[in-house]
Amino acid sequence: DAGVTQSPTHLIKTRGQHVTLRCSPISGHKSVSWYQQVLGQGPQFIFQYYEKEERGRGNFPDRFSARQFPNYSSELNVNALLLGDSALYLCASSLTLTQTTSTDTQYFGPGTRLTVL
Amino acid sequence: AQKVTQAQTEISVVEKEDVTLDCVYETRDTTYYLFWYKQPPSGELVFLIRRNSFDEQNEISGRYSWNFQKSTSSFNFTITASQVVDSAVYFCALSPYDRGSTLGRLYFGRGTQLTVWP
Repeated sequence: DAGVTQSPTHLIKTRGQHVTLRCSPISGHKSVSWYQQVLGQGPQFIFQYYEKEERGRGNFPDRFSARQFPNYSSELNVNALLLGDSALYLCASSLTLTQTTSTDTQYFGPGTRLTVL
Repeated sequence: AQKVTQAQTEISVVEKEDVTLDCVYETRDTTYYLFWYKQPPSGELVFLIRRNSFDEQNEISGRYSWNFQKSTSSFNFTITASQVVDSAVYFCALSPYDRGSTLGRLYFGRGTQLTVWP
């Protein structure tokens, strides 16, 4: 089975532009989470979606938005890009929200590396 | 507040040495889960282990072992007889579980870069 896939792999944008990042979860997984990883730091939680509903939001400005589609894939949108948005954006999927059992493990994709110039 | 501290930024060892990666966490939740992930240069986070707050048994998986001590809020990770392929960034993470917490949300430490030299 395919793992979590993300597109694009790399992206270069300029300040003020808009970007859309895409994530396809593992087949059968209904929960998708997004994390931002700035160079040299651990991933920071941005959003969590389960069954197409937002279930959690981290401390990020309203320029960040996301949605989950009926097939459980997800998009992360960032408007009015700033230099500080340059980071690796990671998507993770799991069967449910809980991560309490071996079947609930959160699996991460390879990430999209966004560079804002 | 939830917090994970990995005080070791970088560790270098020679192949076959044992190495321990430290993790200290803070949470007010009585129920929580702790994780270790490995991030190779490719960037993908690879799940290694999950422990819940009620299970303080140490765990061993091949060359990997984990020591969970609730009394000191620590969840340390030891690699025995390290190999070059162990070189990566290792993250400790916390997932709180009490009412009001975002289930499944992970709070990560800053990571420890492990380099194993041949």
